[in-house]
Amino acid sequence: NAGVTQTPKFRVLKTGQSMTLLCAQDMNHEYMYWYRQDPGMGLRLIHYSVGEGTTAKGEVPDGYNVSRLKKQNFLLGLESAAPSQTSVYFCASTGELNTEAFFGQGTRLTVV
Amino acid sequence: GEDVEQSLFLSVREGDSSVINCTYTDSSSTYLYWYKQEPGAGLQLLTYIFSNMDMKQDQRLTVLLNKKDKHLSLRIADTQTGDSAIYFCAEGWDTGNQFYFGTGTSLTVIP
Repeated sequence: NAGVTQTPKFRVLKTGQSMTLLCAQDMNHEYMYWYRQDPGMGLRLIHYSVGEGTTAKGEVPDGYNVSRLKKQNFLLGLESAAPSQTSVYFCASTGELNTEAFFGQGTRLTVV
Repeated sequence: GEDVEQSLFLSVREGDSSVINCTYTDSSSTYLYWYKQEPGAGLQLLTYIFSNMDMKQDQRLTVLLNKKDKHLSLRIADTQTGDSAIYFCAEGWDTGNQFYFGTGTSLTVIP
């Protein structure tokens, strides 16, 4: 059981470039989340999804888009990367009981 | 979002007890969690407590919840060097939409 898998693990982008981060879970979870982690600020929710085909904005959605075309995948897109988006990005998923969130290993993104 | 506050750093000597504190603002949460993040890794659930409970003990871990003061604590008994990590508290609801995480407390265990 792989759990939650994020790709890529590391990426360096130039300002203005675009990229997509992929999150895949094999636990048949309904809920999926994208967070960013910055020093001293904890985890902040970017976007989330409560089921296939649905997405919603979290606390810091600007500059990001998401899609949930398949239940097991949740994609995070940066259309035009900015240095302020340098961060570590975590994907998570939960089942219906919401007693535990399972996290991926993170994607370290640097925008120069 | 909700405010979930933690102190940023804590240092303890190996063998001592560690107490990590957390305050939150939304009393409607169903669950309160403690997650551990080791260097270069994602978060892993340590334990959680229902919001209608006062205490939960799980081996070396003791969680105390003071609902009146909206204060949550995690006590680690006999702290070991392997406990060095960042610890996050979080609130969650049984409707399964969002979690709100604290800023994280970096625990350093001194041998």
